[in-house]
Amino acid sequence: SAVISQKPSRDICQRGTSLTIQCQVDSQVTMMFWYRQQPGQSLTLIATANQGSEATYESGFVIDKFPISRPNLTFSTLTVSNMSPEDSSIYLCSVQTLDWEDTEAFFGQGTRLTVV
Amino acid sequence: KNEVEQSPQNLTAQEGEFITINCSYSVGISALHWLQQHPGGGIVSLFMLSSGKKKHGRLIATINIQEKHSSLHITASHPRDSAVYICAVYSNTGNQFYFGTGTSLTVIP
Repeated sequence: SAVISQKPSRDICQRGTSLTIQCQVDSQVTMMFWYRQQPGQSLTLIATANQGSEATYESGFVIDKFPISRPNLTFSTLTVSNMSPEDSSIYLCSVQTLDWEDTEAFFGQGTRLTVV
Repeated sequence: KNEVEQSPQNLTAQEGEFITINCSYSVGISALHWLQQHPGGGIVSLFMLSSGKKKHGRLIATINIQEKHSSLHITASHPRDSAVYICAVYSNTGNQFYFGTGTSLTVIP
């Protein structure tokens, strides 16, 4: 299993500013994942954070808007840049571990972001 | 069409009622997960299953691989069960998770 500490848990930000979300895992993991959950929607994968290389972004997400750092195997940050009200969502970091042949997912506590 | 469909979207129950949440999926999977999301946004994994049935306390999860369907049951529901329950599948072809939109459960004392 993995225990993930994510912060901040919530924030209210002015449009045009940036917010950095931190995610700390209690064990070394190869890949960390950042998700966005817009109100009433399912989780959408933003990007996969790889240690030692650039993050891999999903269609519709770009590095300039969501820069990601992964300085080591237990830590990652996601920045939401130049925010607008449309960025108001819950952001979650996640890790996946292999349990025998099955892949299990663990999630942080989430960051509830409101942009005003 | 979403790869994972859940029903109902919203559910209100009286304390003590038996609750069922359904999940259907359209992709090939290696495992299905039931997750619980608390009001603050944090997500906890309840079950991971690839066949049959699992039980943890008052929670029971079943899966029918042939029908691509799973159910989450809560027996003797309690207000502390109030949360959003999310069905997620791990695709064995795309090597990624697909998530349902969740079922918001409110249990009234």
